[in-house]
Amino acid sequence: AQRVTQPEKLLSVFKGAPVELKCNYSYSGSPELFWYVQYSRQRLQLLLRHISRESIKGFTADLNKGETSFHLKKPFAQEEDSAMYYCALSGGSNYKLTFGKGTLLTVNP
Amino acid sequence: NAGVMQNPRHLVRRRGQEARLRCSPMKGHSHVYWYRQLPEEGLKFMVYLQKENIIDESGMPKERFSAEFPKEGPSILRIQQVVRGDSAAYFCASSQSEGSGNTIYFGEGSWLTVV
Repeated sequence: AQRVTQPEKLLSVFKGAPVELKCNYSYSGSPELFWYVQYSRQRLQLLLRHISRESIKGFTADLNKGETSFHLKKPFAQEEDSAMYYCALSGGSNYKLTFGKGTLLTVNP
Repeated sequence: NAGVMQNPRHLVRRRGQEARLRCSPMKGHSHVYWYRQLPEEGLKFMVYLQKENIIDESGMPKERFSAEFPKEGPSILRIQQVVRGDSAAYFCASSQSEGSGNTIYFGEGSWLTVV
């Protein structure tokens, strides 16, 4: 069975501080991992996916198969990063995403 | 491109009534997905549709829930005889095609409250 765990429901940091949002997954095969972000009053949007190995808005995430993790990191948080972040897994079927419960990130001035 | 459009954004129904949620995919997208988010939970896959076809409904409750995506018009998620436990946010998403590398775009969600 597929499972995504985001252990932190809430995360609060100060502007300019590093931020790491944790995501652990459980899947027997080779998963595809995603991070989605939902800003206040806006729709859920794709932030990044592990196969792209890209950096979006300063965020990066590395898939660690040994630790079954896909933590989202940014070295210097900005106030506009405040949002709900969801980690998601696709196990072979691109449309059937398994989501974590989300982490609400608040970046304080 | 207006993105995935869902309506209504908020819907209140009494127990036993029917709820209909509509979703218009992004222009050029023929694949539609519905997800449900219960309070304090992550989004959970319900159903995947293409025009006039249900491709995968493995996440749909066996009773009272149905979905369609007709040749013309929006996709509809229908919940009959709603109960309190159906109160949730229902998200629609669409994509141009299915497969690795394809991006799924989400709507803003429809919040159903059953009183």
